[in-house]
Parts: sequence; structure tokens; C-alpha cells
Amino acid sequence: DTEVTQTPKHLVMGMTNKKSLKCEQHMGHRAMYWYKQKAKKPPELMFVYSYEKLSINESVPSRFSPECPNSSLLNLHLHALQPEDSALYLCASSQAGGGQREKLFFGSGTQLSVL
Amino acid sequence: RKEVEQDPGPFNVPEGATVAFNCTYSNSASQSFFWYRQDCRKEPKLLMSVYSSGNEDGRFTAQLNRASQYISLLIRDSKLSDSATYLCVVNKPSNTGKLIFGQGTTLQVKP
Repeated sequence: DTEVTQTPKHLVMGMTNKKSLKCEQHMGHRAMYWYKQKAKKPPELMFVYSYEKLSINESVPSRFSPECPNSSLLNLHLHALQPEDSALYLCASSQAGGGQREKLFFGSGTQLSVL
Repeated sequence: RKEVEQDPGPFNVPEGATVAFNCTYSNSASQSFFWYRQDCRKEPKLLMSVYSSGNEDGRFTAQLNRASQYISLLIRDSKLSDSATYLCVVNKPSNTGKLIFGQGTTLQVKP
């Protein structure tokens, strides 16, 4: 069982809605990630937080807004999404610091549908 | 050239077969290598890290060839439950925290 918890598991939203995805880990990891995955494709990195600071933003549109309130929590705020944003959104964590400490532990994901 | 390349398959093998997956990476400075397994509509799960000396975990053996920038995963005595997509993952050396995923190789083990 994953030690990274994501909520909700499923989300359907309209293009004018505002919603948030939540992620929590209690492994003492200091890096947290958001990935987006389309069917039959590998996960694509969106954001990385390292020691609660945003360290990587992979040129993600501003309708996705990440937030890291503390080292255990990671949110992804969604606003004015497009149907093509429908995907599985995966949160992950790692110990941080490079090398084998970069190995990722994923949450079970939020399956997002934008209508 | 893609940063991490895998043969997407699918590999269809009978139970009990031995199957090998290969992966190549483009950045010779990469230092961290992993194999992840992903079941349909589930999250990726770490299968094993890959070390320079090669490593084995039960029926699974991973090898790294730095000279050829090549990683392999060998599965012996395949089980039906091994059916999944196997993702090769490599770090981006200039960008700590960024791991590059290959496209994945799909394995289907048949009875």
C-alpha cells in the first residue's frame, strides 16, 4: 500500500470550476512532485518542491497552481481547465538530495475529467 | 534522440518464460537508474533500483552498462501477475529532482 495519500480519487469538473487536489506523506520526505499522465503515456513532470520551495516548474500553464503548505502536504489548485487537461494526476515524494534518494513513491492518483 | 528509450512492445510470453527488457539513455552523466512497474489505471511502483554492479531481487535482475548507456531488466519464470507496463527511469544530472521516464514496455504473460 502506498504511503502517499491523494484525494480525491476521482474528480469531474467543468471548465469554469475551481478545485484542488491534495497529497500527503508522512515518510519524512523533503521533495514532493506533481505528475500528469495520459493513457498509454509515461508520467510527465509538472512541479517539484524541494524543502518546501518550488524548485522545478516544467512550463505548466498558470491554470495549474501548486502549493506546499508544509513538508508533508502538497496541493494542486485547478482553475479554468480545458478538456485536454483530463488525465491521471499523480503526486510523488522522495527523500531529496539526489542519487538513490531520488527514488519516487507515488500516490494512487486523482483521475480528473474536465467537461 | 529521446532521453530515455524503451521498446514499447507488447511482449507476449507464456507463463514460465524468461523475458528481457532494454532501455537506453542519452546523458552519460546520469547516476540514478530505476525500474518501475505500472498496472493499468494504477500508479507506478518502484520495482528496483539499478546499481553499477547489477542487482537481483528474486526472479528479477537489473543490469547497468555505463559504457553503452544501457539498462536491462530480466524476468525469469514469468507469472501471470507480472503482466504490466515496465518503466525505465533515469535522473537528469543537471536538474536534481528530475527523473526522466521512458515510454514503458508492456508485458503480457499468457497461461
